[in-house]
Amino acid sequence: KNQVEQSPQSLIILEGKNCTLQCNYTVSPFSNLRWYKQDTGRGPVSLTIMTFSENTKSNGRYTATLDADTKQSSLHITASQLSDSASYICVVSARGGSYIPTFGRGTSLIVHP
Amino acid sequence: GAVVSQHPSWVICKSGTSVKIECRSLDFQATTMFWYRQFPKQSLMLMATSNEGSKATYEQGVEKDKFLINHASLTLSTLTVTSAHPEDSSFYICSASTRMTGELFFGEGSRLTVL
Repeated sequence: KNQVEQSPQSLIILEGKNCTLQCNYTVSPFSNLRWYKQDTGRGPVSLTIMTFSENTKSNGRYTATLDADTKQSSLHITASQLSDSASYICVVSARGGSYIPTFGRGTSLIVHP
Repeated sequence: GAVVSQHPSWVICKSGTSVKIECRSLDFQATTMFWYRQFPKQSLMLMATSNEGSKATYEQGVEKDKFLINHASLTLSTLTVTSAHPEDSSFYICSASTRMTGELFFGEGSRLTVL
């Protein structure tokens, strides 16, 4: 069964600090992995999308890594800002068919001043 | 980038009425659309997957007669909550993907409140 596990479930950090969110998956055959940021009451917004051959991808202060061998991904946030407070969702899609994605339950990040 | 538009963004209705939510892909053809609901502080829950021109596939526990999904064209899918009850109050989000790339784009969500 395809699964995506995220950790930690929630995280509180001080403004300016760095943090790393984890995503482990068992989706097969692997197509791509995406990280989304979801603000409260809004739809998820894509941060990064990574395919099998990509190890690292950055989007501003967000850097995602992918280890396809261990089926692990991380999202590193540098110099956190108050606006980073949101839920971060890892989504993994399998190849073939309709690319039906498997969602992680998300990590709730709170950045305190 | 690709845009998915949802309408309405919020709706308040009386118990027993039906509500329709639209999901449109504005600049690409969405071969597959997904519908989710999300309760406060919880993760997205997939309700159903719809492919253009065919019947939607519902997740276990989702009543297909309660949540009617129509994907009549490559740019439009609708979710109708029939005979809504207060427990149907939730945040409903759609997403759309293309068979070409498998990329997934989300709408902004629709907040439904049933009185």
